[in-house]
Amino acid sequence: RKEVEQDPGPFNVPEGATVAFNCTYSNSASQSFFWYRQDCRKEPKLLMSVYSSGNEDGRFTAQLNRASQYISLLIRDSKLSDSATYLCVVNNGGFQKLVFGTGTRLLVSP
Amino acid sequence: DGGITQSPKYLFRKEGQNVTLSCEQNLNHDAMYWYRQDPGQGLRLIYYSQIVNDFQKGDIAEGYSVSREKKESFPLTVTSAQKNPTAFYLCASSSRRGGGTEAFFGQGTRLTVV
Repeated sequence: RKEVEQDPGPFNVPEGATVAFNCTYSNSASQSFFWYRQDCRKEPKLLMSVYSSGNEDGRFTAQLNRASQYISLLIRDSKLSDSATYLCVVNNGGFQKLVFGTGTRLLVSP
Repeated sequence: DGGITQSPKYLFRKEGQNVTLSCEQNLNHDAMYWYRQDPGQGLRLIYYSQIVNDFQKGDIAEGYSVSREKKESFPLTVTSAQKNPTAFYLCASSSRRGGGTEAFFGQGTRLTVV
């Protein structure tokens, strides 16, 4: 089983739609969690950290479920500019060692 | 402005040739990483370093070497032993913030074997 698993997609949604991605992780000792966004042929950039209590940043909401070992990302009112690959990242125990999922591709159409 | 700088952006290597990819950061981060990304795939860890003069192999270290002589610099050498080096290489650094860690990436180097 992979340490971090994501549905590769693509998720095809119209503008204005709400879309959600999940990411599961295998190590119950994982300490911190992040969502990164990667545009085609570019470097990943931090979208948001995922806190135990859940957190929201504008149209984006991230949640953590430790009991079921998954994190989620919800995007409301999708924009064309949201089209990208979203990477789930887990700090899998140990000092500053990060594990990346393979990413979920989102395509937002007019 | 603080950040991570990778160079060159594009690199072409001949068969049997060693090449070195540069990564410099001025974020005062302790940890630095090298990842490889192949088309349609996720990031795979090559090497990482938690502190100067120390580094650890990642999942796909064979055919690569690194050094960490300075906190700011973590160069990656792709040796002739790496049989399929064509890929997108990403350097990252991280430091503890608020109890967690997040990584910041350079713009990457696209390496092509010709």
